[in-house]
Amino acid sequence: DAGVIQSPRHEVTEMGQEVTLRCKPISGHDYLFWYRQTMMRGLELLIYFNNNVPIDDSGMPEDRFSAKMPNASFSTLKIQPSEPRDSAVYFCASSLVPGGNTEAFFGQGTRLTVV
Amino acid sequence: SQQGEEDPQALSIQEGENATMNCSYKTSINNLQWYRQNSGRGLVHLILIRSNEREKHSGRLRVTLDTSKKSSSLLITASRAADTASYFCATGPNTGTASKLTFGTGTRLQVTL
Repeated sequence: DAGVIQSPRHEVTEMGQEVTLRCKPISGHDYLFWYRQTMMRGLELLIYFNNNVPIDDSGMPEDRFSAKMPNASFSTLKIQPSEPRDSAVYFCASSLVPGGNTEAFFGQGTRLTVV
Repeated sequence: SQQGEEDPQALSIQEGENATMNCSYKTSINNLQWYRQNSGRGLVHLILIRSNEREKHSGRLRVTLDTSKKSSSLLITASRAADTASYFCATGPNTGTASKLTFGTGTRLQVTL
């Protein structure tokens, strides 16, 4: 397996534009997580899915953020409209069982810059 | 919110020396995990220790857990330049929301030749 695949690796966009980040989890993993990493706040869990169903989105900062998982092999995180304070590295991770009980496998991340 | 706090924030040692990083957390946990992050890359799982375990080894890694003090330590023995990275502890809560793995603030380790 190629691991968790995220795209794009880098994204530069202008304030107000819509941004879509993509993730392909490891095949067979039932849990998918979206994290955001910044210098100020470290790694924050935004939302996670179990069997394609969003379970906890309490970490999603604002209504501008939305996430979907239309099938077991694909998830998106969308920011609309984007703002400079959304600049961060966004990670997708997946795990076979609940992430708190076993290791999570991370993608390489998407570095988002909003100017 | 940050569950774990690593100490020190940064550590610089020479190759061959041992590196010790500490993690403190606040709430009851089911397990504690350590991850490594190389610059510009994703996190890689290193080791998991369950709440009923006190010590665990994996290669040059040794992890201890003291649930009474809500703390853990990661020891890397005979460090190498390739160990240069940031190290994070992550806790799996002892609640129904077992899926929420919460990360600490990280220790930046620099191993010089």
